[in-house]
Amino acid sequence: DTGVSQNPRHKITKRGQNVTFRCDPISEHNRLYWYRQTLGQGPEFLTYFQNEAQLEKSRLLSDRFSAERPKGSFSTLEIQRTEQGDSAMYLCASSPFRGEQEAFFGQGTRLTVV
Amino acid sequence: SQKIEQNSEALNIQEGKTATLTCNYTNYSPAYLQWYRQDPGRGPVFLLLIRENEKEKRKERLKVTFDTTLKQSLFHITASQPADSATYLCALFMDSNYQLIWGAGTKLIIKP
Repeated sequence: DTGVSQNPRHKITKRGQNVTFRCDPISEHNRLYWYRQTLGQGPEFLTYFQNEAQLEKSRLLSDRFSAERPKGSFSTLEIQRTEQGDSAMYLCASSPFRGEQEAFFGQGTRLTVV
Repeated sequence: SQKIEQNSEALNIQEGKTATLTCNYTNYSPAYLQWYRQDPGRGPVFLLLIRENEKEKRKERLKVTFDTTLKQSLFHITASQPADSATYLCALFMDSNYQLIWGAGTKLIIKP
């Protein structure tokens, strides 16, 4: 296992379409996070899983966003009816259950809504 | 209100000098503070962590200090190199909900 993997790396979609991103965390990591990042800003928290349970979801997150982690392994983030304001880098990170909780990030998925 | 502040302007440092980056926060009580490096188009990479009861931490050319009274962390890179050029992010870890709260980052440019 070489680290956190995200697919696709880039996605261009038309406004109103649905998109789905995938994250494969480091295999022994229980915690999985989704973040969104725009230029010049730090990562913005979207949601957090511990194993398959979604424990936190940002209050800023629209109902158009949904995430799953069905077997406590990989996770998907879906955005329905995309808007131009959804254009951003979507980052996934995983952390071990114990230890110093450093976050291991994937390369991100760059979403462009046209 | 709760916020984390990092130098918003890019920091230009001559190669070989020490670069010092600042992270200030208000109205948080983090369990610990982390520093990450981010290169363009890539996810952040963990560098160092310092706990609330630690004053200083070192790793090779990196040093982090943490003053919970001032609510400030300083991140130092000694003997800086052009390869150190990147954006550096600080993040507060809240053990109440296992969240990382992020600053906007400071862009560091090391000139040869």
